[in-house]
Amino acid sequence: GAGVSQSPRYKVAKRGQDVALRCDPISGHVSLFWYQQALGQGPEFLTYFQNEAQLDKSGLPSDRFFAERPEGSVSTLKIQRTQQEDSAVYLCASSFSTGLTSGGYTFGSGTRLTVV
Amino acid sequence: TQLLEQSPQFLSIQEGENLTVYCNSSSVFSSLQWYRQEPGEGPVLLVTVVTGGEVKKLKRLTFQFGDARKDSSLHITAAQTGDTGLYLCAGDDYKLSFGAGTTVTVRA
Repeated sequence: GAGVSQSPRYKVAKRGQDVALRCDPISGHVSLFWYQQALGQGPEFLTYFQNEAQLDKSGLPSDRFFAERPEGSVSTLKIQRTQQEDSAVYLCASSFSTGLTSGGYTFGSGTRLTVV
Repeated sequence: TQLLEQSPQFLSIQEGENLTVYCNSSSVFSSLQWYRQEPGEGPVLLVTVVTGGEVKKLKRLTFQFGDARKDSSLHITAAQTGDTGLYLCAGDDYKLSFGAGTTVTVRA
C-alpha cells in the first residue's frame, strides 16, 4: 500500500483483557518498528524486526507484551492481561532499511488503546 | 531516561511571527531527525541532519545541527496556522529515541 496501515484505530479494553494490534507496513520495507506514545510524550521504542526476525525487543515493558512478524510483512503486537498503564497510542513504523540508508521512516496513524 | 531534551514544551504565537524550538541530546547519534505530528496521526519526517554544522532549509523551515552533533534547532519564519502541531526531534541509532516534543500553536 501507499502508507503504513494500522488497525484498529481505537480499542477500548477492560482491564485483564488481551488485545492484538495490527500493522501493515509499506510493501518491500524490510524494517518494522513498534513504538508506544503516552499522552503528552514522545514515542518510546518497543521492538524492531528485520524481515521476520525480531532483532531487538529491549523496549517491551513486560512479558505481557509480545510482537511477531511471521512472514516478514504484517506484524501484530499483542498485550496480555491489559493494565491501565498500558493505555497509550501504539505506533508502527517501517523503512527500507535502517540508519543512514533507511530512506526515512514512515509511521502509521497509530492505535489508541484505552484500558478501563 | 530522556536522552533528548526539547524546549520549550509549549509555544503559542500569532500568524506571521517567527519561532524557534530546540533539541539537545546527551548522546551522539548517527543522525538526528525532526518530525511533525498532528492530533490522531503518526509523526511525519521533516528532515534528517547528519553532519555537524549542517543547515537545511525546507521552504519556511530552517534546521541547524550543532558542530558537536548534539544540539539542533528548528526555526520557522512567518508561521502559518498550518504549522500548528507537535514537533519532535529524534536520534537515530537504527531505532529512534525521541524527545518529549514541543507543542506549537499558531493563532490566526
